[in-house]
Amino acid sequence: AAGVIQSPRHLIKEKRETATLKCYPIPRHDTVYWYQQGPGQDPQFLISFYEKMQSDKGSIPDRFSAQQFSDYHSELNMSSLELGDSALYFCASSLEETGAQYFGPGTRLTVT
Amino acid sequence: AQSVAQPEDQVNVAEGNPLTVKCTYSVSGNPYLFWYVQYPNRGLQFLLKYITGDNLVKGSYGFEAEFNKSQTSFHLKKPSALVSDSALYFCAVRDAYSSASKIIFGSGTRLSIRP
Repeated sequence: AAGVIQSPRHLIKEKRETATLKCYPIPRHDTVYWYQQGPGQDPQFLISFYEKMQSDKGSIPDRFSAQQFSDYHSELNMSSLELGDSALYFCASSLEETGAQYFGPGTRLTVT
Repeated sequence: AQSVAQPEDQVNVAEGNPLTVKCTYSVSGNPYLFWYVQYPNRGLQFLLKYITGDNLVKGSYGFEAEFNKSQTSFHLKKPSALVSDSALYFCAVRDAYSSASKIIFGSGTRLSIRP
């Protein structure tokens, strides 16, 4: 069965640079979520989209933005990167009515 | 407000023995409950969920969980542990009437199965 696809899998950036993470949800899933997971921590919700519209916002810094496109893929844009942004970034998708979120493999972002 | 607690940071079990990973929750309405497993440097994998119906839910890889409303618990269980079950397990909850993005994850329990 198709799963959530994320690219790139690994990304190294310097402080103050920008990064763009991409997510391709499971086909026919209408909701996409972004999470940030620091070392040894549980996933922290950043933002979600339902049918290409932002549906909820969590602890996403103002330096970050995201959008969902007409083909349902989503991109997380991160600017003015800081050392503390180093983390695993997960995308998940779901069908709203079932509520179970299916996670991608994640993008490991390292800011040096 | 909703919350979820995993009281054990680590659970150690011998291969072949039964395992239990504990989870308790608090929601204002009816709970939707989930278990996820995370292997090193991998994304969370969905194991099972409780939405409504039978209190005993069966999921992937032989895992099951029992919803106990009176104790507000949703413990994850497996009758016979495998070394390959060693991973980080997250319990998650959301109120049935809130949006799916309001899901709250527990702090995780590291399960270690010794041969």
